[in-house]
Amino acid sequence: NAGVTQTPKFQVLKTGQSMTLQCAQDMNHEYMSWYRQDPGMGLRLIHYSVGAGITDQGEVPNGYNVSRSTTEDFPLRLLSAAPSQTSVYFCASSYGASGRLYEQYFGPGTRLTVT
Amino acid sequence: GQNIDQPTEMTATEGAIVQINCTYQTSGFNGLFWYQQHAGEAPTFLSYNVLDGLEEKGRFSSFLSRSKGYSYLLLKELQMKDSASYLCAVNMIKAAGNKLTFGGGTRVLVKP
Repeated sequence: NAGVTQTPKFQVLKTGQSMTLQCAQDMNHEYMSWYRQDPGMGLRLIHYSVGAGITDQGEVPNGYNVSRSTTEDFPLRLLSAAPSQTSVYFCASSYGASGRLYEQYFGPGTRLTVT
Repeated sequence: GQNIDQPTEMTATEGAIVQINCTYQTSGFNGLFWYQQHAGEAPTFLSYNVLDGLEEKGRFSSFLSRSKGYSYLLLKELQMKDSASYLCAVNMIKAAGNKLTFGGGTRVLVKP
């Protein structure tokens, strides 16, 4: 199993550009989520999904869109990049869309810089 | 919404014990996790509590009191490799299912 994969690992964008961060898992996990982590800070939840076709907003959803058309993939779209979106982005997945939530498996992260 | 509070930083000596507290306010509580994160790496799972009491796993233990909205992570016999950030995360039940939110993390520095 590859676990949780994220691409790209590094990205530099100009203000106003759009892009999609890719996330895929091969563990048949129902629950997937996106977090951003700014230097010296904890993880802030952007969007999450409890299964294909079901997504919801986290703490900091503005400027980001998600969709979940398959169980395996959960891409994060930046609509119009801003310097405030410079951060490290982590995707995570786990069993447990409802009932008990199991441990999260994290991808390696995408380091995004917006100039 | 929910508030999750942890101390920002703690320093301890190799071989000692450190206790990292986490307080939270949430509705629909459905479990609390602790994760470890070394600098530049992704978080990794340490422990899970959903009922009151202590869960022990080797040198690490985690405690939960649901009535007080309080948890702690206890690290015993500290080693230099335990220098990392420790993240408390609270799961709550929403209409669509689970939702996991993290606190700001506690950076632990272990000194010789």
